[in-house]
This record gives sequence, structure tokens and C-alpha cells, in this order.
Amino acid sequence: SQTIHQWPATLVQPVGSPLSLECTVEGTSNPNLYWYRQAAGRGLQLLFYSVGIGQISSEVPQNLSASRPQDRQFILSSKKLLLSDSGFYLCAWRDFDGGEQFFGPGTRLTVL
Amino acid sequence: GENVEQHPSTLSVQEGDSAVIKCTYSDSASNYFPWYKQELGKGPQLIIDIRSNVGEKKDQRIAVTLNKTAKHFSLHITETQPEDSAVYFCAAENSGGYQKVTFGTGTKLQVIP
Repeated sequence: SQTIHQWPATLVQPVGSPLSLECTVEGTSNPNLYWYRQAAGRGLQLLFYSVGIGQISSEVPQNLSASRPQDRQFILSSKKLLLSDSGFYLCAWRDFDGGEQFFGPGTRLTVL
Repeated sequence: GENVEQHPSTLSVQEGDSAVIKCTYSDSASNYFPWYKQELGKGPQLIIDIRSNVGEKKDQRIAVTLNKTAKHFSLHITETQPEDSAVYFCAAENSGGYQKVTFGTGTKLQVIP
């Protein structure tokens, strides 16, 4: 069966520090991968999506970046965090031909 | 691009009553409409979905209806229970497009025992 992992589960970082969140998927090949951010009490904001290794599409210009170094690995990064980067970050995958998205457990990021 | 609007943002119902959440979309090419449920501190999970060649779909106490002409779709939960309390998201997608799903802003449903 397929599983999706995200880590860390929670993170507290000072403003201006770097960020690296990792997401890995098991049990499937060539998935589409997604990073979402959810501010407190708000909806899901799509940040990046990827349809293959090295292929990244950005939805919102910001100080975040994403990379997909391996088929089932998706990384969200920042060189310098802002207060506004605080939120709940969700990774998701789906089959390459569409359908249901499967979300990871999320990372709660607090930037102080 | 696609724009999905969702109403209401919050909804309180008595246990046993029905709950209805409505969404509208803008892109007439959208053909896949999933609904997700998010419990506190967790990622969303799919509860039901519908494709544009179908007008209604039901799964036990949950049903979704789609009106392609009006570009709106709705989630209906009957005989609500306290465990139905969560945030619900609708979404729309053109599955022949860029594999990108556009989500609504969410509805926080509270079922009062």
C-alpha cells in the first residue's frame, strides 16, 4: 500500500533562518507531488507541484522553493524565513493520471 | 485559471439534522470535483468525488450533486453525527490540464450533540 511521510511534524524557527521540509512517498511510481500551505483557519494554498523529477511548477511567487531530486521525494526550502511563512504545510501525492490526492500528516511551522 | 468559491465558511447543525455546503467554479472545462474532510491537526482526506458526466453520487449519508450548466456543486450530509465535525473543502479540476486541483476556502462544520 502507498504511504506518505512528512518531517518534521513541528518546527519553530527564527526569522531569517533557512528551512527544509521533506516529503517522501512509498508504494507508487511516478506520482504527481504537491506542496500546500494552510494558514490558521484558512484554506489550502497550492505552493508547488511536480509531475516528474526535476519538474517544478510554482503557483505563488515567494521566498520558498521546491525540488524533486528523486521520483518519490519532494523538498520545500527557504533561504530566509519570514514571519508570514508560519503555517501548516502539507505534502500530497496522486497518480500521474489524476484522481484522489493523498495528503501527508503535515508540518506545523512557527516563525518567531 | 480556475476559481472555486465555497459557502458557508462556518455551519452549525444539531445532531441528526442535514448539512449542505455549496461550491461554484469558473472554468467550464473542469470535469472532476472532489470533496475532502480535514480533522484538526491532520491532512485532508477524500470523502466523495464526482465527475462531470454524472449529476449525483451518493455514499451512505453523504451525497454530492453537480449542475454543469450553472457551474455549481454541493455536498449533502444527512443524519449528522458529532464525528462529522471537521473542515470540508470542495475542489475542481480539469483532469486534462496541468494536474492541478483548485480548492475552495473551506467550511467548518460543527455538529452539536
